[in-house]
Amino acid sequence: EAGVTQFPSHSVIEKGQTVTLRCDPISGHDNLYWYRRVMGKEIKFLLHFVKESKQDESGMPNNRFLAERTGGTYSTLKVQPAELEDSGVYFCASSQEVAGPRIEQFFGPGTRLTVL
Amino acid sequence: DAKTTQPNSMESNEEEPVHLPCNHSTISGTDYIHWYRQLPSQGPEYVIHGLTSNVNNRMASLAIAEDRKSSTLILHRATLRDAAVYYCILRVVQAGTALIFGKGTTLSVSS
Repeated sequence: EAGVTQFPSHSVIEKGQTVTLRCDPISGHDNLYWYRRVMGKEIKFLLHFVKESKQDESGMPNNRFLAERTGGTYSTLKVQPAELEDSGVYFCASSQEVAGPRIEQFFGPGTRLTVL
Repeated sequence: DAKTTQPNSMESNEEEPVHLPCNHSTISGTDYIHWYRQLPSQGPEYVIHGLTSNVNNRMASLAIAEDRKSSTLILHRATLRDAAVYYCILRVVQAGTALIFGKGTTLSVSS
C-alpha cells in the first residue's frame, strides 16, 4: 500500500512568488493534516480536513495560505505571495479515524520550501 | 493538550535497550500518551500510544506510571536505524485531532 506522498520534494522560489504544494493521502483516509516546521522551531499544526471539509484551520498563520481538498482526495496548500519566513518543511499526514483504534497519523516525507 | 518534558538528547549503543523518559505531570484523565519519531530527512512516524496500561507492539514498549504523570518508551534492542528524534505527545483522542510536537529527544545510536 502506498504511503502519503508529497510533491514537490523541494521548492525554491523568490519572495512574492506563488507556490503550491500537493499531498496525496493514503487511499481511504478521510482525515488529512498539514503541518510545518520553520527553521529552528518545532513542528506546528496548520489545518485538518475531514474529506473535503476543513475541520480545524486554527494553525494557519495568515491569509496568504490557502488549503483545498476538492473531492476529498488529494490536497493542495498554496502560499501567495510567499515571504521569507515561510521557508521550512511542510508535512502532510493522513489518518483513517480521528478517534478509535486507527487514529495514528501517517506522514509524508515533506516538502522543503525555500523562499529567497 | 497538556505539556510534556523530555531530555534533549540521549545516547545508546547498538543492541542495547533504550529507555526514553517523558514527564507529563499535568496530564488529564482523557489524555492519551502518544510517541512518534522522526528519522533523518523523513516525516514523523507513529511508534506507540497508550492510556493507562503498559503497551507493546513490534516497534517498542510503552511503560506508563501508575499516576500517569510520566511514561517511558522502551526500545528493547537499539539499532542504528533507531537514531531519530522521539516525541512524546499527549492527545485527547476523542476531541482533539492535531498533534502538538515539542522539541523531543534526539537519540544517537553507536555501533
